[in-house]
Amino acid sequence: LAKTTQPISMDSYEGQEVNITCSHNNIATNDYITWYQQFPSQGPRFIIQGYKTKVTNEVASLFIPADRKSSTLSLPRVSLSDTAVYYCLGGSEGNFNKFYFGSGTKLNVKP
Amino acid sequence: GAVVSQHPSRVICKSGTSVKIECRSLDFQATTMFWYRQFPKQSLMLMATSNEGSKATYEQGVEKDKFLINHASLTLSTLTVTSAHPEDSSFYICSARRRGENTEAFFGQGTRLTVV
Repeated sequence: LAKTTQPISMDSYEGQEVNITCSHNNIATNDYITWYQQFPSQGPRFIIQGYKTKVTNEVASLFIPADRKSSTLSLPRVSLSDTAVYYCLGGSEGNFNKFYFGSGTKLNVKP
Repeated sequence: GAVVSQHPSRVICKSGTSVKIECRSLDFQATTMFWYRQFPKQSLMLMATSNEGSKATYEQGVEKDKFLINHASLTLSTLTVTSAHPEDSSFYICSARRRGENTEAFFGQGTRLTVV
């Protein structure tokens, strides 16, 4: 079971790049790292997933070093609407690939 | 991305009654679905794993007789909160994954349950 550790909260300003780092020291060999975004009273929304090195999509980049013990979610030029909780997950459990959520990082974007 | 739909989005019930929440994968088959509970300002807590055609597996500390899970088809799982009490008031969220390993999970919009 991959336990993840993230900062509880972060502050940023509109237009800045935000990097949220997550540590997952005991991640298993076949586990991917997945990041989700959650707004109040909504279900989590998938942002990005990766195994190692760098992955980029239309909303974010994910950097994973060679030892895979941590990962960094990078959000370019954040806006007020990016204020949310961001969860890093590094989970699979047997054949069911369960996702266990850690505490998440509350990102506050200020004008 | 794939769509997972929950119904209802919010429900208020009287203490002692039962409430059923549905979770549907609209455009893919999900042999496994997951149910979470989230209290205010807290993270999601995994309650149980719902398996199509077999019994659900519950996380430690979750009462299987109180939270009944049925996964009758590859696109539908239901969670029934039996004999609800005010402390069961919470945000319940389901998720589903496509067949195959290491695919992302898609989450429903959640159900806000209030027991009065």
